[in-house]
Amino acid sequence: DAGVIQSPRHEVTEMGQEVTLRCKPISGHDYLFWYRQTMMRGLELLIYFNNNVPIDDSGMPEDRFSAKMPNASFSTLKIQPSEPRDSAVYFCASSGLANEQFFGPGTRLTVL
Amino acid sequence: KQEVTQIPAALSVPEGENLVLNCSFTDSAIYNLQWFRQDPGKGLTSLLLIQSSQREQTSGRLNASLDKSSGRSTLYIAASQPGDSATYLCAVSGSARQLTFGSGTQLTVLP
Repeated sequence: DAGVIQSPRHEVTEMGQEVTLRCKPISGHDYLFWYRQTMMRGLELLIYFNNNVPIDDSGMPEDRFSAKMPNASFSTLKIQPSEPRDSAVYFCASSGLANEQFFGPGTRLTVL
Repeated sequence: KQEVTQIPAALSVPEGENLVLNCSFTDSAIYNLQWFRQDPGKGLTSLLLIQSSQREQTSGRLNASLDKSSGRSTLYIAASQPGDSATYLCAVSGSARQLTFGSGTQLTVLP
């Protein structure tokens, strides 16, 4: 198995632009999580899905953030418009029956 | 609200030493506990998962224990090697599945 796949690995954009991060979970996993990691706040859960349905989005910082999971093998996290304080590493993770979470390599986002 | 604390924040040991990393959590109603390793600029690698009904898990030179009643877990690393240098993160899961992370212990193993 290829593990959790995220793209792009690095993204540099200017303030006000739309940013879309992508994730492909491990095949057969029914839970998908989006996390954000910063030096100041550590790892924070943004939103998670079960069987493609959003279960808890209370960690999404603002309405500028949105996430979708149109099918079991794909999810997106969108930021529109982006701001410099959104700069962070965004991780996607998935889990199956045993609830062991496996993380992707992350997307390092820099908003200028 | 669940809070996870890891002590120490940083640790430096000579190669070959056995060491223990500590993790404590405030709410004992957990579903499981997971230990991760993170190398600089990289993602998280799952090391061990302990279900709430278990007391410990072992993988190679790693052994993790769980004491739910006291809200504590330890990660024991035997015969440490320079390749073990990384940040080690502890995370707990409630019934809702999402993980709450500690801030990590940055381990440096000196050759």
